[in-house]
Amino acid sequence: DQQVKQNSPSLSVQEGRISILNCDYTNSMFDYFLWYKKYPAEGPTFLISISSIKDKNEDGRFTVFLNKSAKHLSLHIVPSQPGDSAVYFCAASPSSGNTPLVFGKGTRLSVIA
Amino acid sequence: AAGVIQSPRHLIKEKRETATLKCYPIPRHDTVYWYQQGPGQDPQFLISFYEKMQSDKGSIPDRFSAQQFSDYHSELNMSSLELGDSALYFCASSFRTYSEAFFGQGTRLTVV
Repeated sequence: DQQVKQNSPSLSVQEGRISILNCDYTNSMFDYFLWYKKYPAEGPTFLISISSIKDKNEDGRFTVFLNKSAKHLSLHIVPSQPGDSAVYFCAASPSSGNTPLVFGKGTRLSVIA
Repeated sequence: AAGVIQSPRHLIKEKRETATLKCYPIPRHDTVYWYQQGPGQDPQFLISFYEKMQSDKGSIPDRFSAQQFSDYHSELNMSSLELGDSALYFCASSFRTYSEAFFGQGTRLTVV
């Protein structure tokens, strides 16, 4: 049973527009969420995180929104750039203990020039 | 800035052979995680170590073992390799809890 779900396997967006990647989770113990970006044959690169005490975290062109009641988070990239084309993984973890991250299956973002 | 170092980057082994993957965490990070990513799959957690002790165990086969050494580097030992073990193996490190895990470039293991 997938605890972290990214229901869109792929997304295409025009350069300059907003990219919105969605993630749902089922485990109510999760209270720390991260987004990773991954290029082929490379390790995931940390992008941005959010804890459950916040509903929004912003870092440059990247903003993550968290809706705890809906167990949903989203990553907004604006404006989207061709270099943003990659697979984006949502990950979650309880904040206490050295618990490992649970990953979603990823969404492949293609930004078209 | 120093990152997580994994070696080797690529490894080809035959069935039933043994492989050892190494992971060197970011300096001062005390926690190491191992993940396996099969083709078209999300990263699956294998095992983690905190302060040289196993802290959590995921879907790691009995044929695999791992440890974290006094210098905090970790090794994943894989024996009796099977074709299905072919995957990307990622190591990640973090400092304590409630912090993002930084990933290495991964080791691509191919079992033939």
